[in-house]
Amino acid sequence: GAVVSQHPSRVICKSGTSVKIECRSLDFQATTMFWYRQFPKQSLMLMATSNEGSKATYEQGVEKDKFLINHASLTLSTLTVTSAHPEDSSFYICSASRGDEADTQYFGPGTRLTVL
Amino acid sequence: QKEVEQDPGPLSVPEGAIVSLNCTYSNSAFQYFMWYRQYSRKGPELLMYTYSSGNKEDGRFTAQVDKSSKYISLFIRDSQPSDSATYLCAMSGSHNTNAGKSTFGDGTTLTVKP
Repeated sequence: GAVVSQHPSRVICKSGTSVKIECRSLDFQATTMFWYRQFPKQSLMLMATSNEGSKATYEQGVEKDKFLINHASLTLSTLTVTSAHPEDSSFYICSASRGDEADTQYFGPGTRLTVL
Repeated sequence: QKEVEQDPGPLSVPEGAIVSLNCTYSNSAFQYFMWYRQYSRKGPELLMYTYSSGNKEDGRFTAQVDKSSKYISLFIRDSQPSDSATYLCAMSGSHNTNAGKSTFGDGTTLTVKP
């Protein structure tokens, strides 16, 4: 159990376009979902935390108008990178927590975004 | 100073060696301790989690927590080339503290050579 999927796994887009990434918990209801960004050979960087039906909480330095997060249901969260630029190219990973005592997070496989 | 410190390595060992991966932390509120494995260009995969101090074993993997020293370890016995990955430690407090967030180490990159 505790499977999280992400779609798409890889996307290439032109500068100025918007890209939507979906994160789904397949076999459990996720009380909280998290979005991370990871540059090559670097650590996970938490971007935001989202709870179903409420606004996402963004980490310091993350532009909420650029990285739009929608957590429409207990199994789906989306991240939209608006007006993407080459510096937004990165590996984006979501995780989901089912609210167990440890708040254990289960990660998706990641989405590699390349902005030309 | 970071709440969780993890030596980034890289760590290179021969196949069959015992590997020791470690993290230290400063927040005494942490009660849950997780280890994740991340292969290149993949999302992290949960390996084990432990509560409070003590040991937990799962196959070739053993997790140890020493809360008095604020030190956790992951041991891998009979290491295999397929164990080559980045290992991340993570910690959290009791449920619903810190908005459910875990605090992650930066990861240790391990290479097991055949």
